Amino acid sequence: QVQLQESGPGLVKPSETLSLTCTVSGGSVSSAGYYWSWIRQPPGERLEYIGYIYYSGSTNYNPSLKSRVTMSVDTSRNQISLKLSSVTAADTAVYYCARVQDTDDAFDIWGQGTMVTVSS
Amino acid sequence: DIQMTQSPSSLSASVGDRVTITCRASQSISSYLNWYQQKPGKAPKLLICATSSLQSGVSSRFSGSGSGTDFTLTISSLQPEDFATYYCQQSYSTPFTFGQGTKLEIK
Repeated sequence: QVQLQESGPGLVKPSETLSLTCTVSGGSVSSAGYYWSWIRQPPGERLEYIGYIYYSGSTNYNPSLKSRVTMSVDTSRNQISLKLSSVTAADTAVYYCARVQDTDDAFDIWGQGTMVTVSS
Repeated sequence: DIQMTQSPSSLSASVGDRVTITCRASQSISSYLNWYQQKPGKAPKLLICATSSLQSGVSSRFSGSGSGTDFTLTISSLQPEDFATYYCQQSYSTPFTFGQGTKLEIK
């Protein structure tokens, strides 16, 4: 079955760029009917949508983060990636990648998540 | 952005109880409402999409209803594995938004 695995540094310094990769196994990022999303959850807080990307490269970003977010897809490696620039302590969170069903825009498969701490 | 508000924020119940969690949207979202279960240290799991469509493999103890701005998740007979935090999420428009969560604890 399809599995997602996030990877990247667990510690990022303030003002630097957070970079994460999500590797898809058991399926393809180019699968029809799905697209891919990043979601984060600060400690003790609710889930926050960061944005999504189609295999074609088409993106949608949360306006609250849009000026700092870049998502990309590498179909040859079956990966999606997230870059978040100029991070602050407020960006400390567990970051998840998730597959999204095109029919109802529900996040049907999630990675295990990766904790990213912003600290000097 | 569409604001999602869940009630209650926490709930104590016993095994076998019937439990209902409510989710309210700040504007009409038709039936574009999804429910997730999250256990400590784990990723959320999709339970129900489009208000009432049960995901494959999810127990029929779970059911969803509603439309417009008011929605409910019902667990018909609580089992030990159901104690977790539940989130609603609207997929009517971006940015997709989540409720603050309802933590279901054992009484």
